[in-house]
Amino acid sequence: GNSVTQMEGPVTLSEEAFLTINCTYTATGYPSLFWYVQYPGEGLQLLLKATKADDKGSNKGFEATYRKETTSFHLEKGSVQVSDSAVYFCALSDQDYGQNFVFGPGTRLSVLP
Amino acid sequence: NAGVTQTPKFQVLKTGQSMTLQCAQDMNHEYMSWYRQDPGMGLRLIHYSVGAGITDQGEVPNGYNVSRSTTEDFPLRLLSAAPSQTSVYFCASTITPRGEQYFGPGTRLTVT
Repeated sequence: GNSVTQMEGPVTLSEEAFLTINCTYTATGYPSLFWYVQYPGEGLQLLLKATKADDKGSNKGFEATYRKETTSFHLEKGSVQVSDSAVYFCALSDQDYGQNFVFGPGTRLSVLP
Repeated sequence: NAGVTQTPKFQVLKTGQSMTLQCAQDMNHEYMSWYRQDPGMGLRLIHYSVGAGITDQGEVPNGYNVSRSTTEDFPLRLLSAAPSQTSVYFCASTITPRGEQYFGPGTRLTVT
């Protein structure tokens, strides 16, 4: 079945540091890939997405590139802020709805001033 | 648009009680899901629906029932609450099977 693996953290960085959160996936077809962010006490929000190989999703300074050859979708940001402290989930959707929308376990990021 | 709304925001139940978590969306999305979020386990799919009148089980359906009588509403029923159902519950919807999901704010449930 489909699966998503991501570094579980927690990740602690100083403000303005470079961020990478690794995400790799296993899928039977050609999935769409997503990064969601969850701020404390809130639901998940879509951060960025990519629907085919070599697509780059970007939003709020975050980027991720769909790499089919390495089955990866790593999240990066050049300079993190305290306000980026949250839990980040990598996810994929493949074929039909329901069980084929799979989330990774989440990575907690803490950014210190 | 209000997006996806969930009520209540917090709930405490005693073991054996039943209750319904409400979920509604005003985006005319056909596809809706219920997830539970537990520490260290990410999100796990409970039940989902691909349209009014059509529901199916997810990864962890035991102890939960759903129905989908309208496109807008997708309530989740706990039949006889157990402490193992203490969790945060999220409802989500999407317009296409492979599209991004829109999440509600969650219901934090404690079963004592």
